[in-house]
Amino acid sequence: QVQLQESGPALVKPSETLSLTCAVSGYSINSGFYWGWIRQPPGKGLEWIASMFHDGATDYNPSLKSRVTISVDTSKNQFSLRLSSVTAADTAVYYCVRVAQLVYYYLDYWGQGALVTVSS
Amino acid sequence: EIVLTQSPGTLSLSPGERATLSCRASQTISASYLAWYQQKPGQAPRLLIYGASRRATGIPDRFSGSASGTDFTLSISRLEPEDFAVYYCQQYGSSLPYSFGQGTKLEIK
Repeated sequence: QVQLQESGPALVKPSETLSLTCAVSGYSINSGFYWGWIRQPPGKGLEWIASMFHDGATDYNPSLKSRVTISVDTSKNQFSLRLSSVTAADTAVYYCVRVAQLVYYYLDYWGQGALVTVSS
Repeated sequence: EIVLTQSPGTLSLSPGERATLSCRASQTISASYLAWYQQKPGQAPRLLIYGASRRATGIPDRFSGSASGTDFTLSISRLEPEDFAVYYCQQYGSSLPYSFGQGTKLEIK
């Protein structure tokens, strides 16, 4: 069974960098699929942040591209998100996801989510 | 940027009734790129439908999806108590950013 688990600081100060890691179990990141990040501000809808393949190919949300970096560590079977210069507007639950991108495109596995609050 | 508009914002129905949720795209997108997700309070979203009409693994057959041009529909034939939740459509793969609709809250009447 594929499982994803986010981890990282729950509180980040304004102007600093948010860093999250997603540990994948039950499936090798090298075996295919894309891997990505989605976020959801409290009480609001979902926003796609970025996705990447294990070979480094990436897609970024243009509205966040200048502040976002995603990377993969195949040796640890995990991938990471870095979001720089955060503000209160970046407070959200951050989900890591597995992305099917072959004939059909969809997010089939989700982590449980990690709430990150931006506050001084 | 493709905007997905879901309607209604809130749908109030009783168990046993049929639910019809709409998702309209601002531009033409391939059905291959349209998926539906269900989210319950405090939980991550769950994939229901992909390719506009294909049920994900383990999803009951009371859930179905359809497409007509830029209009996509999620139907739930006979509502069960566990179906009351928020539903999102998403286009992924058509054009950046891969956007979600704003969601439809299905509540018990």
